Amino acid sequence: GAGVSQSPSNKVTEKGKDVELRCDPISGHTALYWYRQSLGQGLEFLIYFQGNSAPDKSGLPSDRFSAERTGGSVSTLTIQRTQQEDSAVYLCASSLSRGAGLNEQFFGPGTRLTVL
Amino acid sequence: AQKVTQAQTEISVVEKEDVTLDCVYETRDTTYYLFWYKQPPSGELVFLIRRNSFDEQNEISGRYSWNFQKSTSSFNFTITASQVVDSAVYFCALSEAQGGSEKLVFGKGTKLTVNP
Repeated sequence: GAGVSQSPSNKVTEKGKDVELRCDPISGHTALYWYRQSLGQGLEFLIYFQGNSAPDKSGLPSDRFSAERTGGSVSTLTIQRTQQEDSAVYLCASSLSRGAGLNEQFFGPGTRLTVL
Repeated sequence: AQKVTQAQTEISVVEKEDVTLDCVYETRDTTYYLFWYKQPPSGELVFLIRRNSFDEQNEISGRYSWNFQKSTSSFNFTITASQVVDSAVYFCALSEAQGGSEKLVFGKGTKLTVNP
């Protein structure tokens, strides 16, 4: 079956603009995660969804970052008023969530965001 | 707090050499899970292995083997008879059972280059 897909694959935007990044998880996966990968910070957790709710938003770096998930499937990560430090690869992952730690997370190819 | 340390930033070996990638973790939980992921030049993170804190049995999968030692909080990864296709960045990660989010805390990664 299809893996996790993300769009766009690349996004270049100007400082101050808003961007939306999309993630389509593997069908049937109830858990969805957003991570960010940058040279300076490595791989950082941003937010976790179980179904449509987000019980862990602890990794969102500021209130400019928000995410939602609808229908227990597609998720959108929105960054408002982008800053140059937001430049990174944004990775989405999904898992079956049969219980804590029991499931491998399957990652998408990522969206490379460049803020000029 | 959770923390994963991969002290080796880059390793370069010649094909057919054995190589060990080190991973040291910190957690206050008694139940936790450890993972290794591979990120080839194409960029997509690939799951390699999951281990829970109650299972210290070492695992071998083909040329790959993992050594989990709770006494030293280490989960090292060995590639035997390395091949050029093993060239990638390898990430060690930790997930705690408490808290429920199942988020992964990653090390900074070790870039492995296997030269022909």
